[in-house]
Amino acid sequence: ETGVTQSPTHLIKTRGQQVTLRCSSQSGHNTVSWYQQALGQGPQFIFQYYREEENGRGNFPPRFSGLQFPNYSSELNVNALELDDSALYLCASSLATGVNSPLHFGNGTRLTVT
Amino acid sequence: AQTVTQSQPEMSVQEAETVTLSCTYDTSESDYYLFWYKQPPSRQMILVIRQEAYKQQNATENRFSVNFQKAAKSFSLKISDSQLGDAAMYFCAYRSALAGGTSYGKLTFGQGTILTVHP
Repeated sequence: ETGVTQSPTHLIKTRGQQVTLRCSSQSGHNTVSWYQQALGQGPQFIFQYYREEENGRGNFPPRFSGLQFPNYSSELNVNALELDDSALYLCASSLATGVNSPLHFGNGTRLTVT
Repeated sequence: AQTVTQSQPEMSVQEAETVTLSCTYDTSESDYYLFWYKQPPSRQMILVIRQEAYKQQNATENRFSVNFQKAAKSFSLKISDSQLGDAAMYFCAYRSALAGGTSYGKLTFGQGTILTVHP
């Protein structure tokens, strides 16, 4: 069974640029959620996708957007990068959107904005 | 909005001894789930234990157990017989049991507690 994989592992971007982070769900999982974890803080919920539709969103501006593909893999896109976007971005997948479904996390992408 | 507070930024324990990590939360909901996650230096968030709010019995998973006090909105994690591999950042998290809404599926995390295990 393949776990959740994220790419790239590390990324450095310049303020104002755009970035795309990728996530492959655990086999059979149809729900993906994304979290932003600033250094020394707990993760913050960005949004969740189920069957290619966003069905939950946290307090993040519209420049944070996402996609989920038919194979349930997902992308997180961030436009007009700001210095405060520097963080670890975690992807998590689960079998269904039911709250009883445990989340399986990837190892994250470390984004640095200079 | 729900909040989760971990008041211990750092804790330490001797190998083979017991340590308790604290967590409090605030919610107006009656049905929800509480979790403890472990994040080692590898960065992957690993589920340690889960508690359903409607269950009065405290959850246990091998050396890990919780003390769930619903009225006090307290959810502490006890690690018995601590091992070097338990060293990590531990996060307490809340998830609503309500379906729908803009924050559907959202996990709300605390700030984390760094656990050091001394040999």
